[in-house]
Amino acid sequence: GENVEQHPSTLSVQEGDSAVIKCTYSDSASNYFPWYKQELGKRPQLIIDIRSNVGEKKDQRIAVTLNKTAKHFSLHITETQPEDSAVYFCAARREYGNKLVFGAGTILRVKS
Amino acid sequence: DTEVTQTPKHLVMGMTNKKSLKCEQHMGHRAMYWYKQKAKKPPELMFVYSYEKLSINESVPSRFSPECPNSSLLNLHLHALQPEDSALYLCASSQVGRRVGTDTQYFGPGTRLTVL
Repeated sequence: GENVEQHPSTLSVQEGDSAVIKCTYSDSASNYFPWYKQELGKRPQLIIDIRSNVGEKKDQRIAVTLNKTAKHFSLHITETQPEDSAVYFCAARREYGNKLVFGAGTILRVKS
Repeated sequence: DTEVTQTPKHLVMGMTNKKSLKCEQHMGHRAMYWYKQKAKKPPELMFVYSYEKLSINESVPSRFSPECPNSSLLNLHLHALQPEDSALYLCASSQVGRRVGTDTQYFGPGTRLTVL
């Protein structure tokens, strides 16, 4: 089955700096890769996703890159703000499948 | 409306109690999910319903019994739980992924369950 590894487990950055979180996956049939943000006591919320026919996707300060050959994908947050502080989960899923496999999560702290 | 709702928000139960968690969505989604999430861990899939039929059961103990009475509702019936079952139980829904870009999973706020 699919296995998703996520690094680092915690990340502290200064406000305004960039943050990068990396994930690797094992199932070569996976081709949908979402990123969820979960604030303390709240639900996971989708912030960006990418499919395997695309190498990069950007939405304002957030971008995701995918290297399907190496089976890894990364989340990039630029100009970080205190409200970016949360737990971020990457996930992988086969196209048209229902099972999302999550990484272990990264606690991001943005210090002001 | 892109919201999934769950009731109750909090639930405390004894090991001999029977209780139910409820989830509702009105987005026309035909796939619904139950996840269990322990503190500082990722959501862990328990069950998936697709078109009101159980399609995935991740070897969940029978003390958890899911039910999908219609396309908008999903229940999780709880009986004879153990203290280690205490967790946040998340419901999610999505389209059934037949068209690219339509199968994002939307999560509800969760039910915080404590088993004494």
